[in-house]
Amino acid sequence: DIQMTQSPSTLSASVGDRVTITCRASQSISDWLAWYQQKPGKAPKVLIYKGSSLESGVPSRFSGSGSGTEFTLTISSLQPDDFATYYCQQYNTYPLIFGQGTKLEI
Amino acid sequence: QVQLVESGGGVVQSGRSLRLSCAASGVTFSRYGMHWVRQAPGKGLEWVAVISYDENYKYYADSVKGRFTISRDNSKNTVYLQMNSLRGEDTAVYYCAKAANAWGRYYFDLWGQGTLVTVSS
Repeated sequence: DIQMTQSPSTLSASVGDRVTITCRASQSISDWLAWYQQKPGKAPKVLIYKGSSLESGVPSRFSGSGSGTEFTLTISSLQPDDFATYYCQQYNTYPLIFGQGTKLEI
Repeated sequence: QVQLVESGGGVVQSGRSLRLSCAASGVTFSRYGMHWVRQAPGKGLEWVAVISYDENYKYYADSVKGRFTISRDNSKNTVYLQMNSLRGEDTAVYYCAKAANAWGRYYFDLWGQGTLVTVSS
């Protein structure tokens, strides 16, 4: 199975900061990677798919990049609503695997 | 309104069975693959199972293979997860999620609100 490793596990930041979360795959997944945001008690919501495509309705301060084994999610200017947990997910092969999550906190 | 609504969760004894349902509305359900994803209390997301739009393809996580069965009824816009031989480690919130394509091996563009399954000993 493909392993997905996110870093960091926890990230402390302030409103207005630019932050980057990294996701590494144990083998190449091309650009078959999505990023999700999850708030406590809520279902995840997709932000980015196919490595760098912004889901409709998602603010443009979110961006994704990478291919192969290394990917990043960048939030250009943190807003109060962005403090949440972020997961990457590979969909190159089954089983579909999520990263362990990155908690973004104030 | 575009939504997925899960039901069927609850408290069940170890070794028993439970069936979850997920009803879709506002989407052309029969065109998309559907997944179940779970999240144990305080933990991350774990993919469980997928079924293609036409039921021809089903895949399972190793942790549930042989115990869980995914199915769908396109006439009722509903996907199911039959869970047998439940274990304590199956305790989780179970989400259904819609794939953004017909076959399922894609990202999830719509999620339900989740239903909690608690397996007691």
